[in-house]
Amino acid sequence: GDSVTQTEGQVALSEEDFLTIHCNYSASGYPTLFWYVQYPGEGPQLLFRASRDKEKGSSRGFEATYDKGTTSFHLRKASVQESDSAVYYCALSPDSNYQLIWGSGTKLIIKP
Amino acid sequence: DPKIIQKPKYLVAVTGSEKILICEQYLGHNAMYWYRQSAKKPLEFMFSYSYQKLMDNQTASSRFQPQSSKKNHLDLQITALKPDDSATYFCASSQEGQGTGQLYFGEGSKLTVL
Repeated sequence: GDSVTQTEGQVALSEEDFLTIHCNYSASGYPTLFWYVQYPGEGPQLLFRASRDKEKGSSRGFEATYDKGTTSFHLRKASVQESDSAVYYCALSPDSNYQLIWGSGTKLIIKP
Repeated sequence: DPKIIQKPKYLVAVTGSEKILICEQYLGHNAMYWYRQSAKKPLEFMFSYSYQKLMDNQTASSRFQPQSSKKNHLDLQITALKPDDSATYFCASSQEGQGTGQLYFGEGSKLTVL
């Protein structure tokens, strides 16, 4: 079945470090890919999405490019801040009405 | 102001009891959902409703029953509570289907079953 695999557990960085959280997917066709972010005490919120090969999604300095060749949608940010501390989820949907398939989440910890 | 209101924010229950989690959304969306988040499963889809009709149920247990009395309400009744039910339950909504539409989540109801 369809699945999403992302960087396990947590990533600890210092402020101004470069961030990469890996996300690889398994699905046929062209699923829509998502990145959601969940801050402490809140529900997840959409960061951005992409639905075509080579499409770049971006928001708040974060970006990811849909790559069908490598079945990836890696999240990157050039310079992280303490306020970016959160859990990041990669997700996919193979169909417009299908339920989202979620990755396991990656906790980003920014050391001041 | 929060657009999706979940009540209560925290609740403690004893094993075998019953609780109802309340969700109201003021975004004018047609679709609503319940998700569960625990240490075992980071984000687990439970139910989806569209125009007050059940569209998808991924919950194995009949102890979990969604109830939609109005278009913008989707409550979750949980009966015969077990310690394993301890989790944060999130209500969400979207204008379109989950797959292409943006999901909006509430702040969650954290349930602890003793």
